[in-house]
Amino acid sequence: QVQLVQSGAEVKKPGSSVKVSCKASGGTFTYYAISWWRQAPGQGLEWMGGIIPIFNTTKYTQKFQGRVTITTDESTSTAFMELTSLRSEDTAVYYCARDLRPLTPFYGMDVWGQGTTVTVSS
Amino acid sequence: QSALTQPASVSGSPGQSITISCTGTSSDVGDYNYASWYQQHPGKAPELMIYDVTNRPSGVSNRFSGSKSGNTASLTISGLQAEDEADYYCSSYSSSSTLVFGGGTKVTVL
Repeated sequence: QVQLVQSGAEVKKPGSSVKVSCKASGGTFTYYAISWWRQAPGQGLEWMGGIIPIFNTTKYTQKFQGRVTITTDESTSTAFMELTSLRSEDTAVYYCARDLRPLTPFYGMDVWGQGTTVTVSS
Repeated sequence: QSALTQPASVSGSPGQSITISCTGTSSDVGDYNYASWYQQHPGKAPELMIYDVTNRPSGVSNRFSGSKSGNTASLTISGLQAEDEADYYCSSYSSSSTLVFGGGTKVTVL
């Protein structure tokens, strides 16, 4: 049974950066796309971008282009999402999620992390 | 504003059927059979309910079904139950090789 376990809650100052991790266990990490989503308080889900580890290809939604970087460390089966130049509007729960099938890019995600709360406040 | 358009809310009585629409364009929903639907209860992570427009992951009730016509994907919940009260989100692969998503629909069981 594949599980994604995310790092703990973060409190950050405006203008700083945050890096959230997502460790996979119980399955093959390399072949499955990992996506990052976020959900601001009381708002809907928002796809930020994703990576296919075996191809080392990343895609980002235009809104976050230039501010978000998604990487992986295959030796530890961990994905990372770093968001820079934080502002109060980035306060949200951030989720990682794994695609349903190997070697497919962002077709549908059946395994989700538990979420990481990031609070941006001065 | 989300790329895919969903109604903000849909409601129904127990036992009834409801349908949630998800309208995109010929660059996403209309051009690919990779629309997915997610259910999210308050404070919980989303759960995949439908993938590839019509397929249910193992363990998802057959009361949930998906379809597509043109640029609009739809999720139907039949035999509505109290536990179905949740937020539902659609997504689709797009021609820019990214994922587009809807703003979410709150389902209320009356």
